[in-house]
Amino acid sequence: DTGVSQDPRHKITKRGQNVTFRCDPISEHNRLYWYRQTLGQGPEFLTYFQNEAQLEKSRLLSDRFSAERPKGSFSTLEIQRTEQGDSAMYLCASSLERAGQFFGPGTRLTVL
Amino acid sequence: SQQGEEDPQALSIQEGENATMNCSYKTSINNLQWYRQNSGRGLVHLILIRSNEREKHSGRLRVTLDTSKKSSSLLITASRAADTASYFCATDAVVGTSYGKLTFGQGTILTVHP
Repeated sequence: DTGVSQDPRHKITKRGQNVTFRCDPISEHNRLYWYRQTLGQGPEFLTYFQNEAQLEKSRLLSDRFSAERPKGSFSTLEIQRTEQGDSAMYLCASSLERAGQFFGPGTRLTVL
Repeated sequence: SQQGEEDPQALSIQEGENATMNCSYKTSINNLQWYRQNSGRGLVHLILIRSNEREKHSGRLRVTLDTSKKSSSLLITASRAADTASYFCATDAVVGTSYGKLTFGQGTILTVHP
């Protein structure tokens, strides 16, 4: 499978716990994006990387959120001290520069 | 914030009919992209149209872009029940060198009845 993959697909956690999601982009894509989507809404941009450099972060990305792309390949998104408002679908996408973005299946987070 | 606004919010048609969805946006763009999302799934990239293009086709899809009106439309011809999904437009806005960040609308929910 040469598409974008995300792991896990579902995560249920208790409020206050930390969670980490992984995204494996399409191998030749140098850009990687994280978005968050809540029910009935379109995705909202969180952050993006060009190779290993994190070039932009949304104001939605509070200090409890951190993302890394250590070798310019896969990326992780960590949420510390989760809150119920963090419950959402977290989507990862990758692209070449100035090309369409290809999305993974998403990680659905439920914070109890 | 949501830059793209899709219209209508919901569309219900019979199989074989054409479906037209519209998208309006507010700022200058590099390109505009349309995506499909089946319930609870990830987004599928349908088509990208650049700011210097006016029309693009892909199979049963036709996208138009009018940068003077800051609007785009997606036409699906000869719809099928399998086209039932949410459709989103997303804009890649001109903001310095921050190319690539997409701003999505709230989507149009399309239901195609067999």
